[in-house]
Amino acid sequence: KAGVTQTPRYLIKTRGQQVTLSCSPISGHRSVSWYQQTPGQGLQFLFEYFSETQRNKGNFPGRFSGRQFSNSRSEMNVSTLELGDSALYLCASRRSGGSDEQYFGPGTRLTVT
Amino acid sequence: AQKVTQAQTEISVVEKEDVTLDCVYETRDTTYYLFWYKQPPSGELVFLIRRNSFDEQNEISGRYSWNFQKSTSSFNFTITASQVVDSAVYFCALSEERGQNFVFGPGTRLSVLP
Repeated sequence: KAGVTQTPRYLIKTRGQQVTLSCSPISGHRSVSWYQQTPGQGLQFLFEYFSETQRNKGNFPGRFSGRQFSNSRSEMNVSTLELGDSALYLCASRRSGGSDEQYFGPGTRLTVT
Repeated sequence: AQKVTQAQTEISVVEKEDVTLDCVYETRDTTYYLFWYKQPPSGELVFLIRRNSFDEQNEISGRYSWNFQKSTSSFNFTITASQVVDSAVYFCALSEERGQNFVFGPGTRLSVLP
C-alpha cells in the first residue's frame, strides 16, 4: 500500500507570495491533517479534513487555509507569506477518527526569504 | 482539555545502554488512545505503537517496550540496548474517542553515541 505523499518536497518563496501544498493520503483514509513543525514551536496542528469538511482547526491565522477533495486528497494554502512561515509542513492521514493512528508523509520544507 | 508532557527535552546515551522516554498525559475522557512516533533526521514521522485506555498490558516489540500506567497517567517508552540508528526525536501523542484531535507532546531528542 502506498504511503502518504506530499508535493513539493522543497519550496522557496518570497515574503508576500502565496503557496499551495498538496497531500495524497493512504488509499481508504478519509481524514487528512496538517501540521507545522518549527524548531522553536514543535509540532503544531493546523487543521483536519474529513470527507471534504474541515473537522478541526488549530490556532493559526486565516492566511492558512485548506481543502479536501472527493478523492480525499488535500491541499493547504498560505497566503501573504511571512518569514515566520518557514517550516516543515507535515500531512498525516488516518482511516476515520479517534482510535486510528495517523500516518505521516515526508513533509514539505518551505523557506520564505 | 487534552495535554501531553514529555519532560525530557534531550537525552544522550552511549550505544548498548537502555533508555526510557517519559510521557505523561491529561484527559477527561475514559476512552482514549496513546501513540508513540519516531522522527529520524530525514524528517518523516514513523508510527511505532497505539494503545487504548482499556488495555494496560505492557507491550514489547524487539528492543522496544512500552509501559502504560493509568494510575500515573503515563505511557513510557524504553529502548533496550540502544543503537545509533535509534537517534531521533520521539513524540508521544493522545487522541480521545469523542474528539478527533490528535495532541502531540513536545518530543524528546534521543542521541545514541557510538
